[in-house]
Amino acid sequence: KAGVTQTPRYLIKTRGQQVTLSCSPISGHRSVSWYQQTPGQGLQFLFEYFSETQRNKGNFPGRFSGRQFSNSRSEMNVSTLELGDSALYLCASSLRFGQGGENYEQYFGPGTRLTVT
Amino acid sequence: GNSVTQMEGPVTLSEEAFLTINCTYTATGYPSLFWYVQYPGEGLQLLLKATKADDKGSNKGFEATYRKETTSFHLEKGSVQVSDSAVYFCALSGETSGSRLTFGEGTQLTVNP
Repeated sequence: KAGVTQTPRYLIKTRGQQVTLSCSPISGHRSVSWYQQTPGQGLQFLFEYFSETQRNKGNFPGRFSGRQFSNSRSEMNVSTLELGDSALYLCASSLRFGQGGENYEQYFGPGTRLTVT
Repeated sequence: GNSVTQMEGPVTLSEEAFLTINCTYTATGYPSLFWYVQYPGEGLQLLLKATKADDKGSNKGFEATYRKETTSFHLEKGSVQVSDSAVYFCALSGETSGSRLTFGEGTQLTVNP
């Protein structure tokens, strides 16, 4: 079974621009989460989507947004890029959205390395 | 809120040495606990997990036991190899947080031959 794929793998953008990153989950997985990884802040949760609805959101400004399509693929968008947005953006998929103590294992993609200049 | 604290790195060991990476957590209720590993240039791979108190997760010679009384989930391996060199992350998923993971800072492990 193919793993989580993320495109593009590397991206260089200029401050003020916007960017869209894509994530295709493992076949059959319906939940997609996004994380930002930086040397200073570590791994931070951005948001989680399940059945095309945002179910969970981390503490990021509104410039960060996402969506999920009916085939469970997800995109995240960052508008008005800042230098501090330079990071590795990781996508993870799981079978479902866990509720009431349920927990579904997350599988991570290789990430998109975004550099803002 | 939930939080995870890992021992500070980096950690450098010789091949066949014993490894311990400490991890403690703060969370309400009974979170699930995980260790992830990240090799250079790659995403995260789940190494092992434990979903309830006193559970022991194990994989590839690595072990960790969910200790509710000390809110800990320390990672151990009896004999490390050069190929174990990577960054290790302790993480938790709360009872009501869906699949959302809260990660520790990560510990860089380097194993020398």
